[in-house]
Amino acid sequence: AAGVIQSPRHLIKEKRETATLKCYPIPRHDTVYWYQQGPGQDPQFLISFYEKMQSDKGSIPDRFSAQQFSDYHSELNMSSLELGDSALYFCASSLSRTGGNTIYFGEGSWLTVV
Amino acid sequence: GNSVTQMEGPVTLSEEAFLTINCTYTATGYPSLFWYVQYPGEGLQLLLKATKADDKGSNKGFEATYRKETTSFHLEKGSVQVSDSAVYFCALPNFGNEKLTFGTGTRLTIIP
Repeated sequence: AAGVIQSPRHLIKEKRETATLKCYPIPRHDTVYWYQQGPGQDPQFLISFYEKMQSDKGSIPDRFSAQQFSDYHSELNMSSLELGDSALYFCASSLSRTGGNTIYFGEGSWLTVV
Repeated sequence: GNSVTQMEGPVTLSEEAFLTINCTYTATGYPSLFWYVQYPGEGLQLLLKATKADDKGSNKGFEATYRKETTSFHLEKGSVQVSDSAVYFCALPNFGNEKLTFGTGTRLTIIP
């Protein structure tokens, strides 16, 4: 079965540079989520989209932005990168916003800021 | 909002030992409850879930029962293997949407 696809899997950037992560949700899933997991930490919710509209916002820095496109793929843009942005970034998708539907995660994108 | 409190690790067990990782929750209503697993260097995988009180989720020999009376969703396995070494996260959605809140994670190491 198709899963959530994230790219790139690994990314190294320098401070103050910009990075873009891409996410392709499971087909027919209408909700996409972005999470950030720092080393040894639990995943922290950043932002979500339902039917291409932002539906919820968590602890996402102002330097970060995200959008969901007409084909439902999503991109997380991170600017003015800081060392503390080094983390594993997960994209996840689900079929519906309500009803206890399961959220499926991608394998994550490792961002290292040097 | 909804929250989970998870047994702190790390936990080290010998192969074939019995495993329990505690998870208790605070929630509005009766949300679904989840256990996710993260193997070394990999992403988050859904391990099991339960959608209502008294439901038992199970997968790969792991089980967890949704206990409304004790607001718990403890993860158990009767005989662990070295391949079970991973970080385990208890999680539940926030009320009104599906955004997940995770516990702090429990690192499990199984030694042969």
